[in-house]
Amino acid sequence: QKEVEQNSGPLSVPEGAIASLNCTYSDRGSQSFFWYRQYSGKSPELIMFIYSNGDKEDGRFTAQLNKASQYVSLLIRDSQPSDSATYLCAVTYSSASKIIFGSGTRLSIRP
Amino acid sequence: EAQVTQNPRYLITVTGKKLTVTCSQNMNHEYMSWYRQDPGLGLRQIYYSMNVEVTDKGDVPEGYKVSRKEKRNFPLILESPSPNQTSLYFCASSLLEVGNEDEQFFGPGTRLTVL
Repeated sequence: QKEVEQNSGPLSVPEGAIASLNCTYSDRGSQSFFWYRQYSGKSPELIMFIYSNGDKEDGRFTAQLNKASQYVSLLIRDSQPSDSATYLCAVTYSSASKIIFGSGTRLSIRP
Repeated sequence: EAQVTQNPRYLITVTGKKLTVTCSQNMNHEYMSWYRQDPGLGLRQIYYSMNVEVTDKGDVPEGYKVSRKEKRNFPLILESPSPNQTSLYFCASSLLEVGNEDEQFFGPGTRLTVL
């Protein structure tokens, strides 16, 4: 059974600090890795995707991928209250048409 | 406005009464997918479709059917709903298959309760 694991949280981070979200996956053949943000009662929206080992930066967000250790992380710099949401890690495998989501980490940014 | 629409948004039904949740996208996307979201379990893929008349099972297809007769529509059918299908359902679409760089756009969700 292919799995994607995330700490459910809640993760509480002071405003302005760095929030670090982690995700591990079981399938070594996984190809693509995504981070989605989901506000309460809303649908998920894509924050970042990453395919290659290393870091990928987009504004305040940095995704990090380590295929050897099978983990992917998301760093949010200068955290804002608007970043308070559930963050879903997602991984594709096999034909890249199937995708598995983690259960999500609830992030709370305290003023 | 580019969007994915789902109907109905809320539905309460009884065990065994067939229902269909519609999904439509206006972005000419080839890839469409259905997910269910349950507390503590995250999003789980039910079915996906890579193009018209091409559908395949996700991780939790039991009790569901889909069809893709037109590119824009991808209805989810529950022939005989049961209480364990009570969930929040999302439809999503992307230009190409999900493993590419194309973003998946999600619909607003359908909250289904089966009594």
